[in-house]
Amino acid sequence: AQKVTQAQTEISVVEKEDVTLDCVYETRDTTYYLFWYKQPPSGELVFLIRRNSFDEQNEISGRYSWNFQKSTSSFNFTITASQVVDSAVYFCALRGEAAGNKLTFGGGTRVLVKP
Amino acid sequence: DTAVSQTPKYLVTQMGNDKSIKCEQNLGHDTMYWYKQDSKKFLKIMFSYNNKELIINETVPNRFSPKSPDKAHLNLHINSLELGDSAVYFCASSPGTGVGTQYFGPGTRLLVL
Repeated sequence: AQKVTQAQTEISVVEKEDVTLDCVYETRDTTYYLFWYKQPPSGELVFLIRRNSFDEQNEISGRYSWNFQKSTSSFNFTITASQVVDSAVYFCALRGEAAGNKLTFGGGTRVLVKP
Repeated sequence: DTAVSQTPKYLVTQMGNDKSIKCEQNLGHDTMYWYKQDSKKFLKIMFSYNNKELIINETVPNRFSPKSPDKAHLNLHINSLELGDSAVYFCASSPGTGVGTQYFGPGTRLLVL
C-alpha cells in the first residue's frame, strides 16, 4: 500500500516569510511519481509539479522550490517570500504501479499568509 | 477554454433524491477519474475510466454509478442521496493509465439536506 503524510495541518506566516511544507511518503514501488497540488479558497485543484522517483534534482520555479530526498522518503515544498495569494491548502500526492496507479493524497497543509 | 469542466458547480438536494454530475475534458486524455473530498479536505479516488472502460472502482456504495459515453466525458450518477454524500466531487483526467499528471476540474459541491 502507499501512503502520504503531511504532518503540518496548518501553517500561519506573515507576508514575505518563507514557508516549508513537509511531505513524507511510503511505497513499495521502485518507480513512482510525486506531485504537489494547490487548492486556493476558490476550491479548484491546481497542479504544481510532478517528480519521478529517479530524478532527485531539486527544482525551482519562481518563488516555489521542491526538495526530493529519496533516502528519507520526503518531497518538501518551500515558498520563498510568501504572498497573500499563496494562502491555500497544499496537497502532496503519490502515484505508483503497486497501487494500480491510483493517486494517493496526503491530508493537506493549510497555509495562511497574513499581510 | 477550460480543460476539465464539471456541471453543476453547486448542487443542493434532499435526502433520497437522485442526481447526476457531468464532466468533460478537452485535453484529448484517455483516462478520467472521480474523486471525493470530504469536509476535512481529505481526497480519495472513487472511480477511473480508460477509453470508456472502468479500471478503478474503490469501495464505493452501489448508489454511485459512473458512466462514460465517450473518452471525453465521465458522468457520475448518485441514487438515493444520503446526508453523508455531502462533499465536493472532483473530476480529473490524465493522458493514460500510467503515472501521468492528473488535471482536475473545478469541483462540484454537493449538499444533501
